[in-house]
This record gives sequence, C-alpha cells and structure tokens, in this order.
Amino acid sequence: DAKTTQPPSMDCAEGRAANLPCNHSTISGNEYVYWYRQIHSQGPQYIIHGLKNNETNEMASLIITEDRKSSTLILPHATLRDTAVYYCIVRMYGGGADGLTFGKGTHLIIQP
Amino acid sequence: DAMVIQNPRYQVTQFGKPVTLSCSQTLNHNVMYWYQQKSSQAPKLLFHYYDKDFNNEADTPDNFQSRRPNTSFCFLDIRSPGLGDAAMYLCATSSRRTGDNYGYTFGSGTRLTVV
Repeated sequence: DAKTTQPPSMDCAEGRAANLPCNHSTISGNEYVYWYRQIHSQGPQYIIHGLKNNETNEMASLIITEDRKSSTLILPHATLRDTAVYYCIVRMYGGGADGLTFGKGTHLIIQP
Repeated sequence: DAMVIQNPRYQVTQFGKPVTLSCSQTLNHNVMYWYQQKSSQAPKLLFHYYDKDFNNEADTPDNFQSRRPNTSFCFLDIRSPGLGDAAMYLCATSSRRTGDNYGYTFGSGTRLTVV
C-alpha cells in the first residue's frame, strides 16, 4: 500500500468547514483513498473513500487532485463531536483480506 | 443493528496471568481482525482470520494467540501479559465475499490494564 503523509494536528472552529489534507504521491492507478476517524476511546469509523472522482456522502466530501497525489477530506460544518484522529489510508479496493494499515493520522480539534 | 461487540470494555489482569478478550459480530463477515493500540499510537494489526484460516503478522509476539470457533466469535489470548501489553485491543470485521462491501467495521475495543 502507498504511504501517506498527514499533518499531526489541526484546529478548526465549530461550524466552520474542516479541511484535512493528505499526501500520497506514490499512489498507484488501482489504489483508492480511504478515510477513517477514531474518536477518543472508540474504534475507528469509516468516513468515505474514492478513486479519482470527488465523492460526497452524509458525513463528508473527498476531493482528490487530478494527478491523485493528494486529497482533502472536508467536514462541511464541523461540530465538537468531530474532534477525533483522522486517518488517510491508500489501498486497493478489497485489497485482499489484509487489514488496514494505519499511519499516524491527523488529530483534529474542534474549538467552541 | 448489525455490529461488532467486544467484551469487556475494560479488563484488568495480573502480570503473567493469562487473559482472554472476546469479540462477536452479527454482520456475518468472513474475516475478523485483532489490532493493538497503545496510548497515542495508531492501531497495529496483530493477526486475522479469513474464514478458518489464521494469518499472523510477522512481528506479532508469540505471547499473543487467537481462536475463532465459529463465524461469529473470535478470541484474543495473551498467555503471559507483561506491562508492555497494556493497550486498547480492537476487533474488526470485513467481508471478502463477492458482491459484498469490502469495508471494515470496528468494535469499541477492550482496554487492558496489567498490574
């Protein structure tokens, strides 16, 4: 799986959009970008994934650059409950039965 | 709701005393995983079961074992816990059946304290 680079921490004001960047310059053509988050003392939770087109669901939007070397997760109206560690993971869809490999992630802190 | 359940949420064990953590799932997923997460670190995969086939990560210590008696249950056994094994242990499931979503579902974890 390709390696990802994320800032270790970010702050965002409540009600504002939180934009979390991820670099994955070695991503290969058949690898997807996945985002998970982990709220304190809970298990990781799936947010969204994409290949090359921008994706949106009820939780977030995912913007992938045209060269696919970086992406941004957008939480459109951040709330205090969005404070969590956000993990950007690159892997093939399905990817065999191997488990997810987590990097260090970004600790997002939503400020009241 | 279909889910992954880990019991107990908190477990205290004595140094060197065997301990078992349990995980059950109602998703009928054929793959189950165990992760170890130490304080302020990312989850680290220990091993997984693909159906009945056990797959160990290369750097998982022999002190950690697992059992999967049926599709729904998976156990993590720590034979002789040391202070360094204190961590959150996360169970996850996924399906690798054709047509299924390949996403991962995690339990809430068991926090193990070794005294």
